Amino acid sequence: AQKVTQAQTEISVVEKEDVTLDCVYETRDTTYYLFWYKQPPSGELVFLIRRNSFDEQNEISGRYSWNFQKSTSSFNFTITASQVVDSAVYFCALTVYNQGGKLIFGQGTELSVKP
Amino acid sequence: KAGVTQTPRYLIKTRGQQVTLSCSPISGHRSVSWYQQTPGQGLQFLFEYFSETQRNKGNFPGRFSGRQFSNSRSEMNVSTLELGDSALYLCASSLTGEGYEQYFGPGTRLTVT
Repeated sequence: AQKVTQAQTEISVVEKEDVTLDCVYETRDTTYYLFWYKQPPSGELVFLIRRNSFDEQNEISGRYSWNFQKSTSSFNFTITASQVVDSAVYFCALTVYNQGGKLIFGQGTELSVKP
Repeated sequence: KAGVTQTPRYLIKTRGQQVTLSCSPISGHRSVSWYQQTPGQGLQFLFEYFSETQRNKGNFPGRFSGRQFSNSRSEMNVSTLELGDSALYLCASSLTGEGYEQYFGPGTRLTVT
């Protein structure tokens, strides 16, 4: 069975601080895909990034960066110089090969960025 | 491209009734997945449809069912509603579902009284 754990339930930072959201996953499959989604107060889940199990290259997109480490089964997300607009619930998710469109989500981390 | 649309956005039903929710995927996407989101259980997978066939199913009772039409639009049905069915129901579409990213609609907020 697959599992995603986001141990941080809530994080509060002040604007311009850097913040890292942790994600630990469990699967016995060798081919799998990891995702991060953002859910702002409006409620709609917004896709941020996708990674497959064969690509451990870290990625940077503007103020966002992701660190994928298979050795520790982690896929952490860092926001640099956080802004109030980053306030949202962030979800890490996992799917495995041959499971089609079945995403297993973590419980989410609620990030609050205060001015 | 238009995003994923879901109708209705809000719904209030009484225990014992049934409800049908609709989802229109992004043009060209053939996989549609449904999720239930509640404060207690978080985001849980209901089922996925691809080419009009249910390809995956989550751990929900048989009262939850769905279907997909030839134009990839999908509906989900919940019969004999219970109070615990109150939730945000999210639909997501992807090209084929197999490891591709899913794009979510705004959801249908169902309240059962």
